[in-house]
Amino acid sequence: DVKVTQSSRYLVKRTGEKVFLECVQDMDHENMFWYRQDPGLGLRLIYFSYDVKMKEKGDIPEGYSVSREKKERFSLILESASTNQTSMYLCASSRRGQGTGSTDTQYFGPGTRLTVL
Amino acid sequence: GIQVEQSPPDLILQEGANSTLRCNFSDSVNNLQWFHQNPWGQLINLFYIPSGTKQNGRLSATTVATERYSLLYISSSQTTDSGVYFCAVERGTGNQFYFGTGTSLTVIP
Repeated sequence: DVKVTQSSRYLVKRTGEKVFLECVQDMDHENMFWYRQDPGLGLRLIYFSYDVKMKEKGDIPEGYSVSREKKERFSLILESASTNQTSMYLCASSRRGQGTGSTDTQYFGPGTRLTVL
Repeated sequence: GIQVEQSPPDLILQEGANSTLRCNFSDSVNNLQWFHQNPWGQLINLFYIPSGTKQNGRLSATTVATERYSLLYISSSQTTDSGVYFCAVERGTGNQFYFGTGTSLTVIP
């Protein structure tokens, strides 16, 4: 079974702090994703990576950066946390798809609920 | 980006009842997935279904890509089916999935 783990289940930080969220997958997937989930808004893509050291902006990249130095690990960085970044953060991974699709089934980690005070 | 609309937004069922959840999308897509998010927040993929029909136990899904919609059927619902069901679609280029806002399902005994 695919396993996607996230470094923390719950995190509380202060405004202005630098925050690191870590995600690790154990299935040698090429693609990795960071989403945030807010009530009434569904999941919104922050960044994704389709290979080591490669990254692409999603719909809401402002205030975030990412790092992918190894294939199995994808980190989300909040350079200076703000209260509007309080949210549930979800990491996912997938194999690169075959045929017409470029992404195979996505597998999600358990999520990190971040509160910024 | 592509618009993904799910209906109904909320649904309450008596245990044993059947239901149909709908996902409409505004543009042509290459891929579509259905997910279930349990009360603890974990997202589990149910179906990877860019077109056609698939079944897995009490759940089945149908995607009609040419008409830009997908349906998720839940038969003989159980309390463990409670949670939020999301539809996500991928467009033709890139690796980005777009999620709907979900259908919140509550199954009562």
